[in-house]
Amino acid sequence: QSVLTQPPSASGTPGQRVTISCSGSSSNIGSNTVNWYQQLPGTTPKLLIYSNNQRPSGVPDRFSGSKSGTSASLAISGLQSEDEADYYCAAWDDSLNGPVFGGGTKLTVL
Amino acid sequence: EVQLLESGGGLVQPGGSLRISCAASGFTFSSYGMSWVRQAPGKGLEWVSGISSSGGRTYYADSVKGRFTISRDNSKNTLYLQMNSLRAEDTAVYYCANDNRGAAAGTYYNWFDPWGQGTLVTVSS
Repeated sequence: QSVLTQPPSASGTPGQRVTISCSGSSSNIGSNTVNWYQQLPGTTPKLLIYSNNQRPSGVPDRFSGSKSGTSASLAISGLQSEDEADYYCAAWDDSLNGPVFGGGTKLTVL
Repeated sequence: EVQLLESGGGLVQPGGSLRISCAASGFTFSSYGMSWVRQAPGKGLEWVSGISSSGGRTYYADSVKGRFTISRDNSKNTLYLQMNSLRAEDTAVYYCANDNRGAAAGTYYNWFDPWGQGTLVTVSS
């Protein structure tokens, strides 16, 4: 059971906008920043969003992050087939004194 | 180009020990905190352990505390994870990653970037 809760799956058609939610608590998302990682099939995880809504260089602006209270969201606009991947949210947890991850959301591009 | 290359994974019996390594290049290794994150087959990500840039501070997940030891050799640009008393549930791909963390205005930030390609540790009899 992951500390952060994500839907196990999400889907969309090319060009659509999809959002993936991440729910936590006051000890993690509620008081610290959220990051998102993308793991393409058979590859290593890659940082997609950090500090709630910042994109590392090289990440397309189709990807955006937001946070409100104890929840966060990743939005992908103009969905492309190469966006098919597993997406993980993460945040520092003050109670556990360490970083925690969501269980991951498998995004399928129909 | 930043590169992190893990090695040392393999098959080990329950109760056994293994040390995995992560060789870093392309950046000033001694300036960055590092972490190990693992992923069990078909499962999600789990942070395992972290270490400060100097090696003076170490951090562990409760699931490995007392069994795993993280260390680094800045003269060799290498990160290590000594794993003892291994259990079947420790079976996973172990990734090393740059650990960027700090605090600002009462908010803690912590992200991992970049990641290595991972090394598979299998605990089985």
